[in-house]
Amino acid sequence: AQSVAQPEDQVNVAEGNPLTVKCTYSVSGNPYLFWYVQYPNRGLQFLLKYITGDNLVKGSYGFEAEFNKSQTSFHLKKPSALVSDSALYFCAVRDTLPSGGSYIPTFGRGTSLIVHP
Amino acid sequence: EPEVTQTPSHQVTQMGQEVILRCVPISNHLYFYWYRQILGQKVEFLVSFYNNEISEKSEIFDDQFSVERPDGSNFTLKIRSTKLEDSAMYFCASSHSQGAHNEQFFGPGTRLTVL
Repeated sequence: AQSVAQPEDQVNVAEGNPLTVKCTYSVSGNPYLFWYVQYPNRGLQFLLKYITGDNLVKGSYGFEAEFNKSQTSFHLKKPSALVSDSALYFCAVRDTLPSGGSYIPTFGRGTSLIVHP
Repeated sequence: EPEVTQTPSHQVTQMGQEVILRCVPISNHLYFYWYRQILGQKVEFLVSFYNNEISEKSEIFDDQFSVERPDGSNFTLKIRSTKLEDSAMYFCASSHSQGAHNEQFFGPGTRLTVL
């Protein structure tokens, strides 16, 4: 079975400061991990993914995420936050050992990022 | 850049009524999905659709739900007799393939309010 947790409902950060949005996961095999962002009145937009290889993954809009197998985490980071980064962020996981042949990812409940000017 | 579109953006209905939520996936995509998100809760998978048939569905997707691709562009979700607990944000998504590297492209959602 696969599951994902986003322990923070909301993250507040000042513009220019580094930001971290946390995600932890649980899978039976190896994980495929995704981050999506949702701006107001828009659909979820793909940011980045980890499939294999380098643990540090770089994505859109200056975001990156670090895969940590020992801590089963895939935290989203950005060195310097912008007010325009304020949005809802979703982590998703898919197991490489799909139960019942399912290829559907499991999404977290989302974390609201608020960047203050 | 191609986008998934959904209509309407907000649907208000009375309990027991039928609703149809509409989606236009990205044109060269082959796999289509519906998800929902009850306010404050996780994004939950409902159903996936490929080659004019359901390929997977969750336990949420019971007999009250159906999906259809009536023409070459639209993908619809029908709720036959809405319940209060169907109130949620419904997201349509599409993808070109279903492989491990697959990322899904989402529409902006339809907010369904059942009174």
